[in-house]
Amino acid sequence: DAGVIQSPRHEVTEMGQEVTLRCKPISGHNSLFWYRQTMMRGLELLIYFNNNVPIDDSGMPEDRFSAKMPNASFSTLKIQPSEPRDSAVYFCASSYAGPYEQYFGPGTRLTVT
Amino acid sequence: TQLLEQSPQFLSIQEGENLTVYCNSSSVFSSLQWYRQEPGEGPVLLVTVVTGGEVKKLKRLTFQFGDARKDSSLHITAAQPGDTGLYLCAGKTGANNLFFGTGTRLTVIP
Repeated sequence: DAGVIQSPRHEVTEMGQEVTLRCKPISGHNSLFWYRQTMMRGLELLIYFNNNVPIDDSGMPEDRFSAKMPNASFSTLKIQPSEPRDSAVYFCASSYAGPYEQYFGPGTRLTVT
Repeated sequence: TQLLEQSPQFLSIQEGENLTVYCNSSSVFSSLQWYRQEPGEGPVLLVTVVTGGEVKKLKRLTFQFGDARKDSSLHITAAQPGDTGLYLCAGKTGANNLFFGTGTRLTVIP
């Protein structure tokens, strides 16, 4: 069975550009999470969807970040405009029901120059 | 913000040695999970503990949940290079909240 799929795996962009990260959760999972990981701050939850509805977006850093889940098999995380401090590895994870036993994707390493 | 502190932050040991890493909080969790993350990959779930005092074993790994459900430990017996990675604990409170710890980065030297 396919795990969580993320694309792209690596993204290098210039400050001010729009960045879109994509995630396909495991089929049958109804919860989806976006995380950001840095050496300084560790793994931080950005937003959590349940049945395609955002449940908790308190971790989204600021208005430059937005996330959507138009259907059960696809989600996007958009940063517009991007800044160097957004450089991190962004993970998508999914689970059967809520924040319990999550399956993580391989991550997208974002570098903003 | 719930804070899960893990110790030690870094650990480097020789192959064959035993080790214990800790996950501590002042908060009570309904369940606690341990993940291992290898370089360039996402975290992978190892185990979930639910009951205070619960002990679970996964081959050479032993996980324990504190009696008060505020802390947990992971003990590895006879560590192997394949155990190298970042170990993360994550505590669940309520229906929608899962908090990840600060992580322990383990290196097992052959």
